[in-house]
Amino acid sequence: NAGVTQTPKFRILKIGQSMTLQCTQDMNHNYMYWYRQDPGMGLKLIYYSVGAGITDKGEVPNGYNVSRSTTEDFPLRLELAAPSQTSVYFCASTTPGSYTGELFFGEGSRLTVL
Amino acid sequence: GENVEQHPSTLSVQEGDSAVIKCTYSDSASNYFPWYKQELGKRPQLIIDIRSNVGEKKDQRIAVTLNKTAKHFSLHITETQPEDSAVYFCAPSRMRGYQKVTFGTGTKLQVIP
Repeated sequence: NAGVTQTPKFRILKIGQSMTLQCTQDMNHNYMYWYRQDPGMGLKLIYYSVGAGITDKGEVPNGYNVSRSTTEDFPLRLELAAPSQTSVYFCASTTPGSYTGELFFGEGSRLTVL
Repeated sequence: GENVEQHPSTLSVQEGDSAVIKCTYSDSASNYFPWYKQELGKRPQLIIDIRSNVGEKKDQRIAVTLNKTAKHFSLHITETQPEDSAVYFCAPSRMRGYQKVTFGTGTKLQVIP
């Protein structure tokens, strides 16, 4: 199992550009999450999904969009990038009703908006 | 978890001493209480967790204690070592149903050799 895979690992964007951060997991997990982590700060929930076709907002959804067409994939779309979106983005997944609720994280995508 | 707070935000201890980090939460339906460790430049990884039907769990030098009535749980690290230096996060949640997982604000632990 590869676990949770994120691409790209690094990206520099110009203000106003758009891009999609990709996240895929091969553990057949129903629940998937996107978090952002600013330097020296905690993890803030952007969006989450409890299954294909179902998504919901987290704490900081403004400026982002998500979709969940398959169990495996949960891409995060940034429209009109702003410097405030400079951050490290983590995708995570878990499955309900398992012995634990452990979140499995990808390695992160470091985004810089200039 | 809903509103989740951690204290302290930073903690410095001498190598060999103990460290305790506390997490308080507001969602009384939370029944899963994990602690994650994040080393510099790495992803968060689970180090220990506890379910609501258990009051304490220990794994070598780390332990987690739960006070469900008071809605807080704590991470205990004994005989600290330099490799324990990291940021620690709690993330209380419900194991079934509602699954908006909110992380605590984090505690930066520095173990001084």
